[in-house]
Amino acid sequence: EVQLVESGGGLVKPGGSLRLSCAASGFTLSSYSLNWVRQAPGKGLEWVSSISGSSSYISYADSVKGRFTVSRDNAQNSLFLQMNSLRAEDTGVYYCARVLRDPVMKMDFWGQGTLVTVSS
Amino acid sequence: DIVMTQSPLSLSVTPGEPAAISCRSNQSLQQSNAHKYLDWYLQKPGQSPQLLIFLGSNRAPGVPDRFSGSGSGTDFTLKINRVEAEDVGVYYCMQGQQIPPTFGQGTRVDIK
Repeated sequence: EVQLVESGGGLVKPGGSLRLSCAASGFTLSSYSLNWVRQAPGKGLEWVSSISGSSSYISYADSVKGRFTVSRDNAQNSLFLQMNSLRAEDTGVYYCARVLRDPVMKMDFWGQGTLVTVSS
Repeated sequence: DIVMTQSPLSLSVTPGEPAAISCRSNQSLQQSNAHKYLDWYLQKPGQSPQLLIFLGSNRAPGVPDRFSGSGSGTDFTLKINRVEAEDVGVYYCMQGQQIPPTFGQGTRVDIK
């Protein structure tokens, strides 16, 4: 069974850092690109970042470029999002999602999400 | 960035009746290979989004055939033949024609 489980969210002060993880199981991680998508409280979906199976292709939304870094460890079946210089507007639920059609489309499995709250 | 505009933003439907959601982009989502770079997702209350339709008109595995996607260029539609209670939630279209991928604002569907 395909599963994606995010962790690492929490409360952090503005300017602080968090590292999110997404543990994958039930499929060969290296064969798939992965997206991070976030959702501010009561708002819609916003794409954050994408990383290809071999990490050769990485892209970021302008709103996080230079502050967030996506990475993956296929041997450990894990995806990561290092978030630095956090701002209040980064608050929301962060989902990891498997991509079936590179580079970003057809997200067929999503995790349950992890909540990030940036507040003083 | 490509701007995606959905309408209506909310819809109240009687069970068994049809429903349609429009999604428009400010640039064509159809490439020369004729693929339409548009997905539809449904986020049920309290859940993560789930894939309904990919490449404009292809149902994802397990999606009931009462859901259908159509359209081309900049105009796309998601139709539900006969709405059921389990179809409530927020529907999003998403373009993958260009990075960054962008979502519509979402259309909230509830049952009368």
